[in-house]
Amino acid sequence: AQSVTQPDIHITVSEGASLELRCNYSYGATPYLFWYVQSPGQGLQLLLKYFSGDTLVQGIKGFEAEFKRSQSSFNLRKPSVHWSDAAEYFCAVGASYTGTASKLTFGTGTRLQVTL
Amino acid sequence: EPEVTQTPSHQVTQMGQEVILRCVPISNHLYFYWYRQILGQKVEFLVSFYNNEISEKSEIFDDQFSVERPDGSNFTLKIRSTKLEDSAMYFCASWGQGGREQYFGPGTRLTVT
Repeated sequence: AQSVTQPDIHITVSEGASLELRCNYSYGATPYLFWYVQSPGQGLQLLLKYFSGDTLVQGIKGFEAEFKRSQSSFNLRKPSVHWSDAAEYFCAVGASYTGTASKLTFGTGTRLQVTL
Repeated sequence: EPEVTQTPSHQVTQMGQEVILRCVPISNHLYFYWYRQILGQKVEFLVSFYNNEISEKSEIFDDQFSVERPDGSNFTLKIRSTKLEDSAMYFCASWGQGGREQYFGPGTRLTVT
């Protein structure tokens, strides 16, 4: 069974500082990996996704993530955080069977607070 | 850009009542999902639906829950007899053939009193 661990429940960074949110996954094969962002009371917005190929993926809003198979990780990064980035961030894993869309398994989320 | 829509945005119901949450997936998508998120917790998979039948369901999705695609556009989640612990945000998602992304709707907040 697939699973996701986000070890940091809450992170506070200063505006303009760099950010890294950690995500570790468990899955028997190469997974599909996703990062979603959720603002309070809102739905889920996809930031970026990884399926294969280049292990460094670029997303929206200046975010990027790097897939490291040896560490079973898919950490999210941003070089300079803006106050509007304050939100909850969820890492998710999907099974990579060909031709079938599988469920997503989400981590528990990391709440990002940005101080001015 | 196509989007998944959900109605209502907020539903309040009394314990024991039946509720139906509605979703309109993206028109050419074939796979549909329901997830829920209890306040302050992670998003949890409930059920996936393909070709007019459930393809996978979680242990949360017991006999009190059912899903249906009553016509060519809607996808519904029914809870027959709501409990307090059903209070959550319910997200619908859809996935297109050959696609690699689930598109999520904005959610329906269900409050059971």
